[in-house]
Amino acid sequence: DAGVIQSPRHEVTEMGQEVTLRCKPISGHNSLFWYRQTMMRGLELLIYFNNNVPIDDSGMPEDRFSAKMPNASFSTLKIQPSEPRDSAVYFCASRPGLAGFYNEQFFGPGTRLTVL
Amino acid sequence: KQEVTQIPAALSVPEGENLVLNCSFTDSAIYNLQWFRQDPGKGLTSLLLIQSSQREQTSGRLNASLDKSSGRSTLYIAASQPGDSATYLCAVGKAAGNKLTFGGGTRVLVKP
Repeated sequence: DAGVIQSPRHEVTEMGQEVTLRCKPISGHNSLFWYRQTMMRGLELLIYFNNNVPIDDSGMPEDRFSAKMPNASFSTLKIQPSEPRDSAVYFCASRPGLAGFYNEQFFGPGTRLTVL
Repeated sequence: KQEVTQIPAALSVPEGENLVLNCSFTDSAIYNLQWFRQDPGKGLTSLLLIQSSQREQTSGRLNASLDKSSGRSTLYIAASQPGDSATYLCAVGKAAGNKLTFGGGTRVLVKP
C-alpha cells in the first residue's frame, strides 16, 4: 500500500492567490482528517470526514478555508484568498473504520505551504 | 477543552540510555491515546495506540503506559539508538469520531 498521498509536497504562492491541497487516503479507509502544523500552535485538526461526509469543521480557521471529499479516494483543502499567516505544513490522515472503532490514524507526508 | 502537554520539550541522552517521555492531559474522558514519531520535514509515523481500557501497550523496544485517572501517559524507549532521534508526539482521541488533540512534542537527540 502506498500510504496516504498528498500533493503538492511544497507550495509557494503570493498573498491573495487560491491554493488547493490534495489528498488520497489509504484505500478502504472510511475517515479522513486534515491537520495544520505550525511552530506556534503545533498540530491542529481542521476538519474530518466519515464516508465522504464532513462531520466536524470546527477547526477550520476562517471562511477562506474549505474542504471537500467528492469520493472515497480524494479530498481537497482550498484556501481562497491565501494570507501569509496560512503558511504551515498541512497534513492529511486517514483511518479505517467508522467513529467508535479503536483505529489508528495514518498520516501523509504533508504539504509545506508558504504564502509570501 | 482537552489540553495535552509534553514535558520536556527537548531531551538529549547518550546512546544506550533508556528514554522516558511524558504526556499529560486535562480531561480523563478519553477514547484512546496514540504516540507518534516525526522526523524533520516528514509526516507522522504511528508508534503505539492505547485504548482507554488498557494500561499499557508494547512494541519491540517501545512501551507506553496509560493512567487515565491521573491524566498521564509515558513512552519508554529501551536502549536508545541514534536512529531514535526525532520528535515524539502524543495525541489523545475523543469519542465521536476519534478527534485527536496533540501535545507539543518532545524533541529527542540520542548522541552516539
